[in-house]
Amino acid sequence: KAGVTQTPRYLIKTRGQQVTLSCSPISGHRSVSWYQQTPGQGLQFLFEYFSETQRNKGNFPGRFSGRQFSNSRSEMNVSTLELGDSALYLCASSSRTSDGTGELFFGEGSRLTVL
Amino acid sequence: SQQGEEDPQALSIQEGENATMNCSYKTSINNLQWYRQNSGRGLVHLILIRSNEREKHSGRLRVTLDTSKKSSSLLITASRAADTASYFCATDLTGYSTLTFGKGTMLLVSP
Repeated sequence: KAGVTQTPRYLIKTRGQQVTLSCSPISGHRSVSWYQQTPGQGLQFLFEYFSETQRNKGNFPGRFSGRQFSNSRSEMNVSTLELGDSALYLCASSSRTSDGTGELFFGEGSRLTVL
Repeated sequence: SQQGEEDPQALSIQEGENATMNCSYKTSINNLQWYRQNSGRGLVHLILIRSNEREKHSGRLRVTLDTSKKSSSLLITASRAADTASYFCATDLTGYSTLTFGKGTMLLVSP
């Protein structure tokens, strides 16, 4: 079974630009979560999608948005990039269990550098 | 704010020694999970312990959960250099559908 695939792995943007990151979950997984990881703040939850619906959203400005397609693939978009958006963006998929969130399967991440 | 807080922030030991990391959290949980991250890579799931469980083992890993103290510990026995990584606890909060991560413990195992 293929793992979670994130593209691109590395990218460099300048302030004010926008970026779109893509995530393909494990086949059969309907939940996709996005996290931002920085040295100072650690892993911060961005949002979670389940069956094309945003189910939870973290405390990030509206410049951060996402969506999920009918095949469970997900994209996140950051508009008007700021230097502080430089981070490792991690996507994770899961198959929900009846007793809460199960194991998350992470991709290798997209390393965004904003200059 | 972070739900889970790991302690210590960094730990340096020799191969063959045991490594213990602790995690404290604030609110009711469905389960608590531990993950490992090698530098700059994605996280890898290690073990999940449910709120009604007190201890769980997986290979050289032993996890305990004390819901009365809202704390968990991860013990890695007979550490190897390959165990060098960051370790995160993550809590599945009651009423939420995703995990909240702590800031992690950086473990360095020297040969």
